[in-house]
Amino acid sequence: GQNIDQPTEMTATEGAIVQINCTYQTSGFNGLFWYQQHAGEAPTFLSYNVLDGLEEKGRFSSFLSRSKGYSYLLLKELQMKDSASYLCAVGGTYKYIFGTGTRLKVLA
Amino acid sequence: SQTIHQWPATLVQPVGSPLSLECTVEGTSNPNLYWYRQAAGRGLQLLFYSVGIGQISSEVPQNLSASRPQDRQFILSSKKLLLSDSGFYLCAWSRGGARIAKETQYFGPGTRLLVL
Repeated sequence: GQNIDQPTEMTATEGAIVQINCTYQTSGFNGLFWYQQHAGEAPTFLSYNVLDGLEEKGRFSSFLSRSKGYSYLLLKELQMKDSASYLCAVGGTYKYIFGTGTRLKVLA
Repeated sequence: SQTIHQWPATLVQPVGSPLSLECTVEGTSNPNLYWYRQAAGRGLQLLFYSVGIGQISSEVPQNLSASRPQDRQFILSSKKLLLSDSGFYLCAWSRGGARIAKETQYFGPGTRLLVL
């Protein structure tokens, strides 16, 4: 079966660091994607991991462990504009499987 | 650069009425195209994907259908809408030519559909 799990909701304070976890069990794996989606808007691409390890992009980093079926997205120096849903997705054959998303609230 | 368009942005339709949502991509050739639906506060549900003109794969058997009459045009249709069809419909594209989904997906602005 295909399954991707993420926490439903997280809350953090402006300026802090937050880690959003994603675990997956899929029949195929061709990489793990993270997308950001603000309320009422389309998702936008944040990061892609296909090999184990950490990928850093400014305030955002993403980590992958293929043997554990595990990824996380790390957001540093949180800003109010980071309040959004964060979607984890696995690339399969032609299609992508999405988790239900983690809604992050950043408090002042 | 590539852009993806969807229309209409918002739609309110009565139960039993037909539906046609259109998506077009510019600036790329032979893209893989996708239709997703997102219910309020939920994740993305893949409805259809296409790897070429006239090639449609259905993920969810329901009262919806999709067509790809041109390389960069993807249409989502229904003959009779149900209340459960309400949601946020997103079209997406990724670079084509590869069998595996390893390319980044780029999403259109979406269509918010309310069926009453």
